Amino acid sequence: EIVLTQSPATLSLSPGERATLSCRASQSVSSYLAWYQQKPGQAPRLLIYDASNRATGIPARFSGSGSGTDFTLTISSLEPEDFAVYYCQQRNKWPLTFGGGTKVEIK
Amino acid sequence: EVQLVGSGGTLVQPGGSLRLSCTASGFTFSSYWMSWVRQAPGKGLEWVANIKQDGSEKYYVDSVKGRFTISRDNAKNSLYLQMNSLRAEDTAMYYCAKAGPRAGDFDYWGQGTLVTVSS
Repeated sequence: EIVLTQSPATLSLSPGERATLSCRASQSVSSYLAWYQQKPGQAPRLLIYDASNRATGIPARFSGSGSGTDFTLTISSLEPEDFAVYYCQQRNKWPLTFGGGTKVEIK
Repeated sequence: EVQLVGSGGTLVQPGGSLRLSCTASGFTFSSYWMSWVRQAPGKGLEWVANIKQDGSEKYYVDSVKGRFTISRDNAKNSLYLQMNSLRAEDTAMYYCAKAGPRAGDFDYWGQGTLVTVSS
């Protein structure tokens, strides 16, 4: 099973600041990595697929990068609605696995 | 507009069975892989199962193999999860999700249906 480790567990930032979230895989997942956003009481929402492609309707302030084992989700300037939990997920091998999540909270 | 409406979640005793359903609309259901993903209270996301468009391929996380069965009825635009021999650790919100064109990620999610396993 591919283990995805997200860091940090919590990121405390102010609106307007840049957020950088990390996801590291225990073995290569090529570029088959997605990022999701989840707000309290809501289902997750797909943000990024295949490491760097924004999903439909996702604002340009969200960007993804990386390949192999190291990936980054960047939010260029945090909006109030961006404070949430973010998960990475790999589709390179069964079983599909998620990272443990990074909570982006208001400082 | 894509909609996924899950149902069937409830309180069930350990060792019991339950069948979850998900009704899809707003897309050609028979053209996409479908998935179940769960989230225990206060915890992260865990993929549970995937099923191919025609039902010919199914994949499961190890912890549910032999106990859970994913199925679909393309004529009814419906996805199912038959859950047997339920354990306390199966307590979670169960999300029905549509797989993207890439099959292994999830581009639309239902609102979730809560399964509680407790005596």
